[in-house]
Amino acid sequence: DSGVTQTPKHLITATGQRVTLRCSPRSGDLSVYWYQQSLDQGLQFLIQYYNGEERAKGNILERFSAQQFPDLHSELNLSSLELGDSALYFCASGGGTNEKLFFGSGTQLSVL
Amino acid sequence: AQTVTQSQPEMSVQEAETVTLSCTYDTSESDYYLFWYKQPPSRQMILVIRQEAYKQQNATENRFSVNFQKAAKSFSLKISDSQLGDAAMYFCAYRSAGHALNFGKGTSLLVTP
Repeated sequence: DSGVTQTPKHLITATGQRVTLRCSPRSGDLSVYWYQQSLDQGLQFLIQYYNGEERAKGNILERFSAQQFPDLHSELNLSSLELGDSALYFCASGGGTNEKLFFGSGTQLSVL
Repeated sequence: AQTVTQSQPEMSVQEAETVTLSCTYDTSESDYYLFWYKQPPSRQMILVIRQEAYKQQNATENRFSVNFQKAAKSFSLKISDSQLGDAAMYFCAYRSAGHALNFGKGTSLLVTP
C-alpha cells in the first residue's frame, strides 16, 4: 500500500460528460501530481500542485482542470469528454527530501 | 526538455537468470534523480529503485541493482535471480528536484519458467 488513495477505481461515462477524480496524498506529503497513462501516449504528466498552489503544468488539455484543497486532497476535473480521453489516470504524492513519488492505484476512465 | 529513452520494448528472461534493462536520458542539469518503476498486470506503479545523480555508488535493492553512468547518461536496471513475479512493465524515470517524473515508454519483461 503506497498510502495514496484514489477514487473511484473505475469510471464509465459517455462523450460530452464531465467527471471528477479524487486523490488523497500520503500523510505529510504536500505535493500532488496527476498523470495520464494511455497505450499510445504512455505516461504523461498533467499537472502538479504543492500545498494548494499550482506548481507545474504538463500536457494537460484545456478541458481538464485540477485543484488541491486545504486538507491537501486533490481533484482532477475532466469535461467535454472524448473517446480519446479513455485512459488510466494516476495520482502521485511526494515532497520528502528523498524525492520519491508514490502512486495511487489509479482511476480507469472509459468514455463510451 | 528532459527525455528518457528505453530502447527495448520487450525483454525475456528465464527464471533464476539475470536480465538487464536499458535506459538513457538527456538533461543539461547536474542535480537530478533517476528511478525504475514496475507496473505489474494489476497496473499499480511500484517504485523499484532510486539513484541520486550526485552519488557515484550504484544503488542496490535486494535482487535489483543499477548501473549508473553519468557521463554517458545511462541508467540500466539489473534483475538477478529473476522470479515469475518480476514479470511486468518496467519504466525508467527522471526527475529534477521538486519537479514531476518524466517517464520512458517502458520495457515489458517476460519471465519464463
